[in-house]
Amino acid sequence: DTGVSQDPRHKITKRGQNVTFRCDPISEHNRLYWYRQTLGQGPEFLTYFQNEAQLEKSRLLSDRFSAERPKGSFSTLEIQRTEQGDSAMYLCASSVTIAGGRGNEQFFGPGTRLTVL
Amino acid sequence: AQSVTQLDSQVPVFEEAPVELRCNYSSSVSVYLFWYVQYPNQGLQLLLKYLSGSTLVKGINGFEAEFNKSQTSFHLRKPSVHISDTAEYFCAGLNSGGYQKVTFGTGTKLQVIP
Repeated sequence: DTGVSQDPRHKITKRGQNVTFRCDPISEHNRLYWYRQTLGQGPEFLTYFQNEAQLEKSRLLSDRFSAERPKGSFSTLEIQRTEQGDSAMYLCASSVTIAGGRGNEQFFGPGTRLTVL
Repeated sequence: AQSVTQLDSQVPVFEEAPVELRCNYSSSVSVYLFWYVQYPNQGLQLLLKYLSGSTLVKGINGFEAEFNKSQTSFHLRKPSVHISDTAEYFCAGLNSGGYQKVTFGTGTKLQVIP
């Protein structure tokens, strides 16, 4: 399977614990995105990488959240001191730069569902 | 700032009937528009996209959408739905001149009734 993969698919944790999620994009894709989706809502943008550079962060990404993409390949999203409000589906997507930067399709992974008790 | 509005949170429709899922966008610049489908406990799958050119866009699974600039709409249609189309559908937009983040609507749950 050459699609976007995410690990784990499900994570249950207690409030105050740290969690880390991993995303492996499609191999030739240089762009990687993290989104958060809460129940009954569409995905909301969190952050965006082009290769290893983090180019944009949403105001939704509080100081407890950090994302990395070492070497421009896989990415990790860490949440420190989790709160119940962090419970959501965390989606990763990747895309490849098209000449002229026009509307490149983002391919989504299956997501990691986080439940904070 | 761009926003995407999906007017219906739920749409029930009988099997083999036609369906239209509504989407309106607001933007001061040209936009690229998408429809994604999400099945339970899965990620999003692209149904179709409008970048430029013909305003009628055909996608997978028999879906199509029409870009209407004067009405700032990008409604999704299917002439005859199947049980397997039961899912949540998201309209999304990407600003052509800005960063690459996609702005999603709140989603429309399509329930196909046997």
